[in-house]
Amino acid sequence: AQTVTQSQPEMSVQEAETVTLSCTYDTSESNYYLFWYKQPPSRQMILVIRQEAYKQQNATENRFSVNFQKAAKSFSLKISDSQLGDTAMYFCAFMKFSGGSNYKLTFGKGTLLTVNP
Amino acid sequence: KAGVTQTPRYLIKTRGQQVTLSCSPISGHRSVSWYQQTPGQGLQFLFEYFSETQRNKGNFPGRFSGRQFSNSRSEMNVSTLELGDSALYLCASSLNTEMNTEAFFGQGTRLTVV
Repeated sequence: AQTVTQSQPEMSVQEAETVTLSCTYDTSESNYYLFWYKQPPSRQMILVIRQEAYKQQNATENRFSVNFQKAAKSFSLKISDSQLGDTAMYFCAFMKFSGGSNYKLTFGKGTLLTVNP
Repeated sequence: KAGVTQTPRYLIKTRGQQVTLSCSPISGHRSVSWYQQTPGQGLQFLFEYFSETQRNKGNFPGRFSGRQFSNSRSEMNVSTLELGDSALYLCASSLNTEMNTEAFFGQGTRLTVV
């Protein structure tokens, strides 16, 4: 079974600064996907960024980037130029690659990020 | 395009009752999965359906069941409700292909058992 660990229950950052959220995972699989999801107070889960394990290049989406260390099983999220709208719970998630045969996300416990003005 | 729609948004039920939650996926999505979110346990996978077939099930008692209809809409049912079933229940839909793995979530149904 896979496990996902987010060691920072809460973090805060000043607007316009950079913050890094940590995530480690444990799996015996070699092919998998990793995700960061954002859940604001509205409760809507929104995909922030996705990384395929077979890709060595770190994924980036505008102000969001990841540091994927496959050997260390580490998948951190960096948010640059933090904005007030980034305030949310952030979840790291794992999904085994199955060729589309099933869909199951394993989530970490989440990190509550607060961006202060 | 319309997002994932979950109904109802809020529910209050009494212990021992049963409840049915509904999820309408994004048009064209045939994979629908359900998650339970609680402060203590976080987000836990319940089950996943694809083309009316349950392909995967999490570690929940048999009181939790689901189904998917031919139009991909899904329902989950919880029988003999317990206080511990109080949670936010999230539904997600996906194209679930090798090239497209993004799950789109609904806003959830907040179930309170009293």
